[in-house]
Amino acid sequence: QVQLVESGGGVVQPGRSLRLSCAASGFTFNSYAMHWVRQAPGKGLEWVAVISYDGSDKHYADSVKGRFTISRDNSKNTLHLQMNSLRAEDTAAYYCARDRYGVPFEYWGQGTLVTVSS
Amino acid sequence: DIVMTQTPLSSPVTLGQPASVSCRSSQSLVHIDGNTYLSWLQQRPGQPPRLLIYKISNRFSGVPDRFSGSGAGTNFTLKISRVEAEDVGVYYCTQATQFPHTFGQGTKLEIK
Repeated sequence: QVQLVESGGGVVQPGRSLRLSCAASGFTFNSYAMHWVRQAPGKGLEWVAVISYDGSDKHYADSVKGRFTISRDNSKNTLHLQMNSLRAEDTAAYYCARDRYGVPFEYWGQGTLVTVSS
Repeated sequence: DIVMTQTPLSSPVTLGQPASVSCRSSQSLVHIDGNTYLSWLQQRPGQPPRLLIYKISNRFSGVPDRFSGSGAGTNFTLKISRVEAEDVGVYYCTQATQFPHTFGQGTKLEIK
């Protein structure tokens, strides 16, 4: 079955960097686009970024553009989110989600919590 | 950016009774390919979101048939025909017609 497992979250000071990973299994990873979506504590969902199945196309939310980079390693079935210049407002649970064309956000991971605080 | 507006933001419902959530988009969600990429997600307490409905009215695998979606253009509705205890949570509409993808604020469904 489809499984997505995020890792890499933690507590980090403002201005520092963090790299999140999402390990995928149970499907042909290199056939699907992948998203990152975040949720601040007690708040709603915010789309962060998407990467095409082969990594050739990427899109970002304005709130993270220029600071975050989405990437993937299809040889390792892993999605990444490199987060630089972190701010307090980036504090959130970060979820990876699979995208089947026409069916976005098809499957979700359990999330990893990022806390930006001094 | 396309703004998604949900109503109501909170919905107390009696078990066994119907419930509905409305979602309005600030512009048409019809894609140039002719499809409308409007989905509904459910987030139970302490859980990640889960896909319920995609392309307005298509139930995702394993979703009970008491959930249904309808609408067109800029106005959409999620209906639960008979609410069960396991339906408690927050429901989000989301559009994937245009980047950035956007979500509604969420509607909290609770039992009276």
